[in-house]
Amino acid sequence: QVQLQESGPGLVKPSETLSLTCSVSGYSISSGYQWGWIRQPPGKGPQWIGNIHHSGSTYYNPSLKSRVTILVDMSKNQFSLKVTSVTAADTAVYYCARYGHWFDPWGQGTLVTVSS
Amino acid sequence: QSVLTQPPSVSAAPGQKVTISCSGSNSNIGNNYVSWYQHLPGTAPKLLIYENSKRPSGIPDRFSGSKSGTSATLGIIGLQTGDEADYYCGTWDDSLSGYVFGTGTKVTVL
Repeated sequence: QVQLQESGPGLVKPSETLSLTCSVSGYSISSGYQWGWIRQPPGKGPQWIGNIHHSGSTYYNPSLKSRVTILVDMSKNQFSLKVTSVTAADTAVYYCARYGHWFDPWGQGTLVTVSS
Repeated sequence: QSVLTQPPSVSAAPGQKVTISCSGSNSNIGNNYVSWYQHLPGTAPKLLIYENSKRPSGIPDRFSGSKSGTSATLGIIGLQTGDEADYYCGTWDDSLSGYVFGTGTKVTVL
């Protein structure tokens, strides 16, 4: 059974960098699929942030592309997310998920608050 | 601002049926497969439907999906209190070069 778990700081100061890691168990990232990040601001719907292919190719939401980096670490079976120059608008629950033209399964999500 | 439009809420009594619409355009629903997700607050979103109408293992056949042109529909029959959740459609958008989610629909069991 494939499981994903997000981890990282729950509080980030404005203008700093948000960094999260997604740990995958039950499936080797190197075996295939894309692996993605989605966020959901309070009271709003989900927003796709981007995906990374097991080969390392990345696909980003054009509205966030200038601030987002997704990397994969095959040795740890993890992939990560960095969002630079964060503002209060980046406050959201961040989810990681496996993508194969749909997202399944998802992690439990982690709340990241941007505040000084 | 999402490019996929859903009704904000639908409701029905236990045992009844609800349908949730998802309206898009040729660049998204019209040219790509649609998925549906169920999200209960505080839990991980769950895939209900993929490739317009297919159910993953473990999803009861009370849930169904369909697509016609630039719109998709999720149906739930035999409504249960455990079905109270937010439901989102999702698909790839060729013009935006990205995955898009619907505005979301809250299902209430009366």
